[in-house]
Amino acid sequence: QKEVEQNSGPLSVPEGAIASLNCTYSDRGSQSFFWYRQYSGKSPELIMSIYSNGDKEDGRFTAQLNKASQYVSLLIRDSQPSDSATYLCAVNGGYQKVTFGTGTKLQVIP
Amino acid sequence: DAGVIQSPRHEVTEMGQEVTLRCKPISGHNSLFWYRQTMMRGLELLIYFNNNVPIDDSGMPEDRFSAKMPNASFSTLKIQPSEPRDSAVYFCASSPGGFPKSPLHFGNGTRLTVT
Repeated sequence: QKEVEQNSGPLSVPEGAIASLNCTYSDRGSQSFFWYRQYSGKSPELIMSIYSNGDKEDGRFTAQLNKASQYVSLLIRDSQPSDSATYLCAVNGGYQKVTFGTGTKLQVIP
Repeated sequence: DAGVIQSPRHEVTEMGQEVTLRCKPISGHNSLFWYRQTMMRGLELLIYFNNNVPIDDSGMPEDRFSAKMPNASFSTLKIQPSEPRDSAVYFCASSPGGFPKSPLHFGNGTRLTVT
């Protein structure tokens, strides 16, 4: 079992719709969770972090965490073509060891 | 803030040659990470340092790989001898520490091609 699992996609959504990206992790002791966005040929950039159960909103982005289910999600409202990228879920399992999922490719169709 | 600086951006070498990748973390960051990214395996953590000390190198694929951090502003990842399966994008990232909440700041990566 991989430590951090994501559906590789591609996930296709029409412009203006809500994109929902999901991630599960195996280490119950994990304490912090991140979503990174990576455009093709570029490096990952942080878009959201979440540390406690519940929702965290930042503009069009909402991160959701459920530690009991070991589940993290990212919602993107009013999706734009510029949101088309690969979204990486990352989990900090301890002492700064950050493990990434393989990423979900999102395509926003104009 | 200059960000994390990696060099070279691209490296093409022949099998059996030594390859050295370089990284300068963000000033004041006390944690440094080396990742490798491939289509098949995604981002894999190779090794990370805290205050210049290697903490976990369990991700280093084999003895051909070695990493050093002689001071707070410089790290190297060396592959000797290189093999075609080492072809990947290698990212260096740094973090200000303050476990567990500190996010990673990535460099632009080095694209390595071994022929």
